[in-house]
Amino acid sequence: EMQLVQSGAEVKKPGESLKISCTGSGYMFSNFWIAWVRQMPGQGLEYMGVIFPGDSDTRYTPSFQGQVTISADKSINTAYLQWSGLKASDTAMYYCARHGHGGNSIDNWGQGTLVTVSS
Amino acid sequence: QSAPTQPASVSGSPGQSITISCTATSSDVGNNNLDSWYQQLPGKAPKLLIFEVDKRPSGVSDRFSGSKSDNTASLTISGLQAEDEAEYYCCSYAGDSTWVFGGGTKLTVL
Repeated sequence: EMQLVQSGAEVKKPGESLKISCTGSGYMFSNFWIAWVRQMPGQGLEYMGVIFPGDSDTRYTPSFQGQVTISADKSINTAYLQWSGLKASDTAMYYCARHGHGGNSIDNWGQGTLVTVSS
Repeated sequence: QSAPTQPASVSGSPGQSITISCTATSSDVGNNNLDSWYQQLPGKAPKLLIFEVDKRPSGVSDRFSGSKSDNTASLTISGLQAEDEAEYYCCSYAGDSTWVFGGGTKLTVL
């Protein structure tokens, strides 16, 4: 069974760094784009960016370019989302998700990682 | 890239049909047949309902259907059930291998 399992909830202070993970199983991890999606409290879904683990080709939505870094280690079937200086406005649920169906939709989602940034 | 526009809310009674629209607001978004739809139940991760405008993944009820006319994609739910009460999001291709979600529509089953 195909699964994406994300790392656990995090509570951080403003200015701290953070790296959350998403590990895939049950399919060829290297061959499918993995996206990161933000959902701020009570708000909608925002597509942050995407990575192809096979060659680490990475694309960012303009509003997230320079704000986060997306990476992957195909040897351990894991994608990452990291921040170098968190802000309170980064408080949100973050989902990783796999692009399936020829890359034209997101067919599987992780369970989400809640990141809380508060002083 | 601007987010497609969805109505903030729709409602219907059990057994009725409702349609949620998703209108591209910029020329570089939605100018293709790649629109998808997702259902998000409270406290849960989203779930794919429709891809490539009108295709249903295995396991999704045929009460859910998709269509598109010009720059507006639509999701229709027929035979409304209480369990359909959720947030619904469209998603359009924005270019350069990235995508953009609509603002979401809250469906209330009366």
